[in-house]
Amino acid sequence: QKEVEQDPGPLSVPEGAIVSLNCTYSNSAFQYFMWYRQYSRKGPELLMYTYSSGNKEDGRFTAQVDKSSKYISLFIRDSQPSDSATYLCAMGNQGGKLIFGQGTELSVKP
Amino acid sequence: ETGVTQTPRHLVMGMTNKKSLKCEQHLGHNAMYWYKQSAKKPLELMFVYNFKEQTENNSVPSRFSPECPNSSHLFLHLHTLQPEDSALYLCASSQSAGQPNEKLFFGSGTQLSVL
Repeated sequence: QKEVEQDPGPLSVPEGAIVSLNCTYSNSAFQYFMWYRQYSRKGPELLMYTYSSGNKEDGRFTAQVDKSSKYISLFIRDSQPSDSATYLCAMGNQGGKLIFGQGTELSVKP
Repeated sequence: ETGVTQTPRHLVMGMTNKKSLKCEQHLGHNAMYWYKQSAKKPLELMFVYNFKEQTENNSVPSRFSPECPNSSHLFLHLHTLQPEDSALYLCASSQSAGQPNEKLFFGSGTQLSVL
C-alpha cells in the first residue's frame, strides 16, 4: 500500500464549479499537510499548509484535514481557468521527509 | 519567480554522454534538494544537502552524482544514463532540512531526455 494515494485525474470542470481534490494516507505519524500547485512547464509552488485536523481557508481555497479517517481535501470555490494545473498533496512528520501524492491534473473550462 | 533557478530547461543526451544540471537559489536558504518527477508518479526525493553536507541519498544509482559547493548552488552530474532516467528533474530549497514543517521552494526543472 502506498503511503499517500491521490487520484491522478484528469479532472475537467466548467468555470465557476466547486472542485474537490483528495488524498488518503496510511501513516498516522503524519502531522503536516500541504498542497502544492504545479503549472505546466513549472515547478510546484506551495499553495496551502495545515497542521492538525480541521479546515483552513485562504480566499477561494479551503484545505481540510481529517486525521481520524486519514483523509485530506482541497476545495476550490468559483474555479477559474487560471486554476488549471496539477495539484500535489504532500505530508510530513517529525522525521522531516515530505511524501508526495502523484498529483491530480485539473482543467477548468471557460 | 520562486527564487530558485535551474539550467538548462531542456536537455537531450545520449547514453554515453556526460552532462551537468545546475541549480541556484537566491532565498538565503540552507537546504537544497534534487527531486525526480516522472509522468503519473509521485515526486521522488533523490538527494538532500543541509549546510552543504549531504544528509540524504535515497538509493540513487551512482550514474547520478550531486555536488553542493555552497548553500546557494547545487549540481547534478550525469553520466551513462539509461532511457528510463528521462524525466523532469527539480531542484528545491528550504530554510533548513529535517524540520517537519519545512516549506519547499522549487525551480522550474530540467526536462531530460535520454536517447
